Amino acid sequence: QQQVKQSPQSLIVQKGGISIINCAYENTAFDYFPWYQQFPGKGPALLIAIRPDVSEKKEGRFTISFNKSAKQFSLHIMDSQPGDSATYFCAANYNFNKFYFGSGTKLNVKP
Amino acid sequence: GAGVSQTPSNKVTEKGKYVELRCDPISGHTALYWYRQSLGQGPEFLIYFQGTGAADDSGLPNDRFFAVRPEGSVSTLKIQRTERGDSAVYLCASSLFGLAKGTYNEQFFGPGTRLTVL
Repeated sequence: QQQVKQSPQSLIVQKGGISIINCAYENTAFDYFPWYQQFPGKGPALLIAIRPDVSEKKEGRFTISFNKSAKQFSLHIMDSQPGDSATYFCAANYNFNKFYFGSGTKLNVKP
Repeated sequence: GAGVSQTPSNKVTEKGKYVELRCDPISGHTALYWYRQSLGQGPEFLIYFQGTGAADDSGLPNDRFFAVRPEGSVSTLKIQRTERGDSAVYLCASSLFGLAKGTYNEQFFGPGTRLTVL
């Protein structure tokens, strides 16, 4: 059973637009939800993370929205730039155990 | 070092052969993780080391896979009798304290080793 489900699989956004990627999880014990950014030929890099005791976290142009009752969280990229074109992964973790990753969203920001 | 390094960057082998993949973590990081990333998928956890010992090896798919970290630094992932289904990018990550320290420490990923089994 896939622990974390991510959508969409791919996303095309115009420069300056808002990119939104969604994730849903099953295990209510999860207590840490990071987002990773991966460029071709590179390993994933931590972008932003949230705990379930807050509903939103913002860092620059990147915002995580968290809905505990719906067991969903999303990444919003404001004022999307061509340099944001990459693959994004959500992940989840509980009680300091292993991380479960989503299947990834390939974002293409058109100039 | 400047970051996590992995060697080789690419490995092509034949079905049935034995391969070793190496990971050099960031100096001073006590925790080391191995993941497998298939095409179009997210990283899949394989094994986690805290120091020299494997704290969680529940992600290793079968007994053909084995990993060591004898001195608490460099780690080697070993795959015996490789199969075509083992073809993937194998990622290594390290973090300062790991998962048992009581806080979430950022994992720093290496660029991966792309394994192709013909």
